[in-house]
Amino acid sequence: AQSVTQLGSHVSVSEGALVLLRCNYSSSVPPYLFWYVQYPNQGLQLLLKYTSAATLVKGINGFEAEFKKSETSFHLTKPSAHMSDAAEYFCAVTLSGGYNKLIFGAGTRLAVHP
Amino acid sequence: GAGVSQSPSNKVTEKGKDVELRCDPISGHTALYWYRQSLGQGLEFLIYFQGNSAPDKSGLPSDRFSAERTGGSVSTLTIQRTQQEDSAVYLCASSLDAGKDEFFGPGTRLTVL
Repeated sequence: AQSVTQLGSHVSVSEGALVLLRCNYSSSVPPYLFWYVQYPNQGLQLLLKYTSAATLVKGINGFEAEFKKSETSFHLTKPSAHMSDAAEYFCAVTLSGGYNKLIFGAGTRLAVHP
Repeated sequence: GAGVSQSPSNKVTEKGKDVELRCDPISGHTALYWYRQSLGQGLEFLIYFQGNSAPDKSGLPSDRFSAERTGGSVSTLTIQRTQQEDSAVYLCASSLDAGKDEFFGPGTRLTVL
């Protein structure tokens, strides 16, 4: 069975600082991994995904994530935070090659302060 | 429309009433998913439709929950005899096919008084 753990339900950074949101997964088969962002009162938007190609995945809005099999991690980073990055971020896992029955982490709320 | 749409955007109901939530997927998308987002449980998978195949209902929390998808397009999630713990945001997503990116709708916020 697949599962996802996001460390830190709330993360606060200064504008311009590095953003690091942590995600660890558990999967008995090679996983597909996703990061979604949810802005206030909006639906989920796909930021980026890993599907067994390049381990460093670049997404929208300057975000990227690196798949590390040895650490079972898929942490999300952005070199310089912007005020507009304030949102809730969800890591998700699904079976590779199968349909996308997404298993989500609990989410991390990112606050960006001036 | 260009994206997944859901209606109503907000629904307030009394305990014990039935509710219907509607999802219009992106045109041409064969796969459709329902998820629930609640404070206590986070984001949970509810049900998945793919083409004419039997739906995967493994995430439905009780037999009060059901969903159908007519004509391979619009889907309705029905909750019978609503309980306060059903209060949540119900999200619908669709994808071009199984294994493709999911696009989410804005959700329906259900409040059961």
